[in-house]
Amino acid sequence: EAGVAQSPRYKIIEKRQSVAFWCNPISGHATLYWYQQILGQGPKLLIQFQNNGVVDDSQLPKDRFSAERLKGVDSTLKIQPAKLEDSAVYLCASSLIGANNEQFFGPGTRLTVL
Amino acid sequence: QQQVKQSPQSLIVQKGGISIINCAYENTAFDYFPWYQQFPGKGPALLIAIRPDVSEKKEGRFTISFNKSAKQFSLHIMDSQPGDSATYFCAATFETSGSRLTFGEGTQLTVNP
Repeated sequence: EAGVAQSPRYKIIEKRQSVAFWCNPISGHATLYWYQQILGQGPKLLIQFQNNGVVDDSQLPKDRFSAERLKGVDSTLKIQPAKLEDSAVYLCASSLIGANNEQFFGPGTRLTVL
Repeated sequence: QQQVKQSPQSLIVQKGGISIINCAYENTAFDYFPWYQQFPGKGPALLIAIRPDVSEKKEGRFTISFNKSAKQFSLHIMDSQPGDSATYFCAATFETSGSRLTFGEGTQLTVNP
């Protein structure tokens, strides 16, 4: 079974630039998550989708971050404009529908904002 | 409060020793407590999980001990091996929010040969 795919793996940008990350979840997984993992910290949920709909985006900085999940499969997370404090690893995870189903994480995209 | 506090921040043990990582939570509504293992350059992967209706769960060399009254749980790695060297995260979630995970800060474990 293929795992969660993410691209790019690394990205370096200047502050105030825009960046987008892509995620392809495990086939059949209706729930998709984006987490932000700052160096030395645990992952923090940014947004959770179930199929096309947003379940939880309470910790998403909506003034600069946006995410979409078209057709209930792939998802894109965008930052516009980026700030220095956005430097982090952005992890995508997916799971089957239902509470406490195992979340499978992708390898992440490491973003450096200069 | 939805915080999960984890300690120690880093841990060094000798091969064959026991590694112990502790977590404490505040929200008594949490009802599922997974542990994730993360290797450099990889995403976290589920290691073992427990619900608060049991006090202990063992899978191979990995054991979770759970103390509901103290709101604490811990991961024990028996016979630690160099291949166990990784960062370990405890997490917690509760039914009302589906599968949203609140992670601890992480423990970097190094097992010396």
